[in-house]
This record gives sequence, C-alpha cells and structure tokens, in this order.
Amino acid sequence: QLRLVESGGGVVQPGKSLRLSCAAFGFTFSSYPIHWVRQAPGKGPEWVAFISDDGNNEGYADSVKGRFTISRDYYKKTLYLQMNRLRAEDTSVYYCATEGHAFDLWGQGTTVTVSS
Amino acid sequence: DIQMTQSPSTLSASVGDRLTITCRASHSINKWLAWYQQKPGRAPKLLIYEASSLESGVPSRFSGSGSGTEFTLTISSLQPDDFASYYCQHYNTYWTFGQGTKVDIK
Repeated sequence: QLRLVESGGGVVQPGKSLRLSCAAFGFTFSSYPIHWVRQAPGKGPEWVAFISDDGNNEGYADSVKGRFTISRDYYKKTLYLQMNRLRAEDTSVYYCATEGHAFDLWGQGTTVTVSS
Repeated sequence: DIQMTQSPSTLSASVGDRLTITCRASHSINKWLAWYQQKPGRAPKLLIYEASSLESGVPSRFSGSGSGTEFTLTISSLQPDDFASYYCQHYNTYWTFGQGTKVDIK
C-alpha cells in the first residue's frame, strides 16, 4: 500500500532545532520528487521545500531559506527536514507529499509547536 | 513570485447544489493548476491536476477548467461528503497554494 509516514514533531523552544522524517512505503522512492508542506492552525497549506527525484536539486520557501534543509536517504527510503533556528511562526502541521501528477500522495502529518 | 487568489473564501450550500470556485493566478501558469479537498484533521487530497484532469478515484461530479490566469473548480451536484475546504495550487516549477474556500452547510 502506498504510504508516507511522518515523524519527529514535538514542542521545541524558539531558536532550537528539530529534524522531521518521512518514511515511504509501497512505491519506488527514487522515482519521485518529494516536498514538505506545512499548515498553521486555521490557515491554508504553505509549501516549504522540495527535493528532486535524484536528490540533485532543492528548493525552499523564502520563509525558511537558510534555516531548513531537505534531504533524502534512498537506502532507508526516508525524506528528512532539518529545521534550525525555529521561530514561533514555524508552528504548524508538517506534511510530506510526493509529486506525480501534482501532490498525489500525502502523509498524515506531524505537529511542530515552537513555544517557550 | 506567483500569487494565487481564490474566491469566495466561504460558500454556504445545500446538497444537490452546483458549486463553482474560482482561482486566479497573478501571472500566466499555463495549465499547471491543481485542486485539493481537505477535511479537518486530514491531509489535502488531490482532485484535479493540469487544470482539468480528474485524479483517479475522484467522483466525476468534480471538474476543472481554465488556463493561463483564471481557473474554476465545479461540483455538479454537491454531496454530503463534499462539505470541506478546497485549495488551488500552482505547481511544476514553483508551488503556491490559494488561501482556500470553505464549503459549509446552508
């Protein structure tokens, strides 16, 4: 069964770091670009970061550029998001999503709360 | 950056109604427009891609049209399961979501 499972969320103080993971099941992990998308409480989705299928290209939203790093491990079939210098405005549910037709397959999300 | 503007932000409707949601892009995005449905506590679900292509498994009462800067999502006959929020998204080389349309019960 095609699935993405995020983990690693939690409560963290401003200025600290957190690493999110997204494990892939049931499909060829190396075949798809993958994105991180976040959604703050009561708001619409916001694209965060992208990594190409071969891992050679990355892209970031201006709001996280220089603080967040996306990476993927083909052996572990896992996507990561390293989040540094976290801010209160980074509080959101974070989803990973594969790009096929558009964002076809989504995980269930993991919640990040940045609060002192 | 390309901005996506949806209207209306809220839509009150009844079962059986025909609904149209509009999404406008600040610059031409050709056909690179997707529509998603989202229910509370759930991830978005892809409905339409490339402006008018129906994702596999999505009921045929959903349809999309448009190109360039103006796009529409139409639900031909609203069903109880359709009360949700809907988002448009520009994708392909940059990825931007609209602010959403919440469809609630009249």
